[in-house]
Amino acid sequence: EVQLLESGGGLVQPGGSLRLSCAASEFTFNNYAMNWVRQAPGKGLEWVSAISGSGGSTYYADSAKGRFTISRDNSKNTLYLQMNSLRAEDTAVYYCARGEFVVPAAMGGMVVWGQGTTVTVSS
Amino acid sequence: QSVLTQPPSVSAAPGQKVTISCSGSSSNIGNNYVSWFQQLPGTAPKLLIYDNDERPSGIPDRFSGSKSGTSATLGITGLQTGDEADYYCGTCDNSLGAGHWVFGGGTKLTVL
Repeated sequence: EVQLLESGGGLVQPGGSLRLSCAASEFTFNNYAMNWVRQAPGKGLEWVSAISGSGGSTYYADSAKGRFTISRDNSKNTLYLQMNSLRAEDTAVYYCARGEFVVPAAMGGMVVWGQGTTVTVSS
Repeated sequence: QSVLTQPPSVSAAPGQKVTISCSGSSSNIGNNYVSWFQQLPGTAPKLLIYDNDERPSGIPDRFSGSKSGTSATLGITGLQTGDEADYYCGTCDNSLGAGHWVFGGGTKLTVL
């Protein structure tokens, strides 16, 4: 079964760092762009970042630019999100989601989603 | 304030039909494919509709999508209590950069 499994969430103080991971299984990982989407408590979905299948191209929402770094290790079928200088407003459930092409695009949607990992930024 | 505009809530009785609108602009819906996602309480989003009107395998034909200009619509017929969920539209926005997704604020569906 095609699956994504996030990990790495937790409680961190403002200004701290955290690295999220997303392990992919049962599909050819490097054929697909990957996304991070977050959802603050009681709020809607917010796209955070995306990366092409090769990892050569990365894309960020303004809220993540300069603080977050998306990366992938195709040999390990794993997606990462390094989050630095965390703020209270970064508190959210973070989902990884697969695009349907090697570059991020609206076409095809986001078919596969992980179950999410919770990040809480608080002192 | 979300880039795409959805009504906060809609409601209808079991067996009835409901539509959820999603309004955008030429930089997003007007020039990109639209997806719709269902999020049941406490679960991850699930793709219902992609490329404006296509259903992934396993999604019943009670769910339909359409797009006209800078707006899109999700339709659900034969409403069931299990359809109670939050629904989100999403697409890419060319003015924000390549591959930059935007979502609507979400619509809470209540099946009375």
